[in-house]
Amino acid sequence: GAVVSQHPSRVICKSGTSVKIECRSLDFQATTMFWYRQFPKKSLMLMATSNEGSKATYEQGVEKDKFLINHASLTLSTLTVTSAHPEDSSFYICSASRVAGDQHEQFFGPGTRLTVL
Amino acid sequence: AQSVTQLDSHVSVSEGTPVLLRCNYSSSYSPSLFWYVQHPNKGLQLLLKYTSAATLVKGINGFEAEFKKSETSFHLTKPSAHMSDAAEYFCVVTGGFKTIFGAGTRLFVKA
Repeated sequence: GAVVSQHPSRVICKSGTSVKIECRSLDFQATTMFWYRQFPKKSLMLMATSNEGSKATYEQGVEKDKFLINHASLTLSTLTVTSAHPEDSSFYICSASRVAGDQHEQFFGPGTRLTVL
Repeated sequence: AQSVTQLDSHVSVSEGTPVLLRCNYSSSYSPSLFWYVQHPNKGLQLLLKYTSAATLVKGINGFEAEFKKSETSFHLTKPSAHMSDAAEYFCVVTGGFKTIFGAGTRLFVKA
């Protein structure tokens, strides 16, 4: 299957700082990428849909000024958590969508564990 | 509209016994259905997927699932559990370019 990477895998930061997480599709071009957040022992919550060359579409309740998403190329999307606070600590997972005919399949990255002190 | 319900939050089995993880879905579209596994502090790994081909889908590590349209179900099974199967399992439905995750089922495997 296709490979999606995330960097960093873990990050610890101080409250008030900003953190950038990268999501890359390594062997295919992804016009659409997705960002999810997973709270401890919970399911994945879709935060936003990132389309290459256009603004991201955020799900209800997700602060777009807090979670900045940039999809500058067909293989890279970034999520920046601005002015992070302890409640932003979570597991962030991205996925990249590959379209084949009328089927689209998502390939998930390994996730990034963010801890805000 | 789409939704997915995993009927059990926790399932506990003994090693060597069968595994059944239940999933029901609803979708306004012809859905694609997936099962993913997540080991502690790890990302998601695709176990298997249904995309309107054969209704009985075989996946990795001996898992399989059967798509039953009349019952709107996509239950995950494995004949014999292994200790390494202990993990969180997610049933996922996609349709119309929207992806919905189930709440997850934690599988415990006892020695």
